[in-house]
Amino acid sequence: RKEVEQDPGPFNVPEGATVAFNCTYSNSASQSFFWYRQDCRKEPKLLMSVYSSGNEDGRFTAQLNRASQYISLLIRDSKLSDSATYLCAVIRLDTGRRALTFGSGTRLQVQP
Amino acid sequence: ETGVTQSPTHLIKTRGQQVTLRCSSQSGHNTVSWYQQALGQGPQFIFQYYREEENGRGNFPPRFSGLQFPNYSSELNVNALELDDSALYLCASSFGGDEKLFFGSGTQLSVL
Repeated sequence: RKEVEQDPGPFNVPEGATVAFNCTYSNSASQSFFWYRQDCRKEPKLLMSVYSSGNEDGRFTAQLNRASQYISLLIRDSKLSDSATYLCAVIRLDTGRRALTFGSGTRLQVQP
Repeated sequence: ETGVTQSPTHLIKTRGQQVTLRCSSQSGHNTVSWYQQALGQGPQFIFQYYREEENGRGNFPPRFSGLQFPNYSSELNVNALELDDSALYLCASSFGGDEKLFFGSGTQLSVL
């Protein structure tokens, strides 16, 4: 079982739709959580950190459920420019190093 | 732009050859991490350098090695290239234990 798992998609949604992605992690020592956005074969860019209390940045909302070991990303009012791959990533406390473990990504295609 | 630069952007090698990839970290950042991203997968942690010392390593064989220089730039060396080494190699810099990483645009390595 992979340490961080995501539905690969693709999620095909019309402009203006609301879409949600989940990401599950298997190691309870996971400490920090992030969502990255990656355009085709370019570098990942940090979209947002995910806090226990949940956090929002404009149209994007991230939530963490430690009991069920998953994080989620909600995108409201989807734009064409949101089309990308969304990677979730975690940092584990037990390894002694601050290295990101990524999921394989969920591809989002927003259609006109 | 993150201020993290990688060279070269693309590289073609044949099996058995050796390759060196380079990364200049963002100004003020003293930690460099290297990741390998195969097609359709998330980035996988190779290793991290902090103040010229290796500070953690992922599940990669010893033929993957690295260096960090006094100016905090870094090199990734891969010996005895295999076809499966074909991937996007990403460098990320950060300051100390800061969890926010800034990625370079990567080097696309193709091994034939």
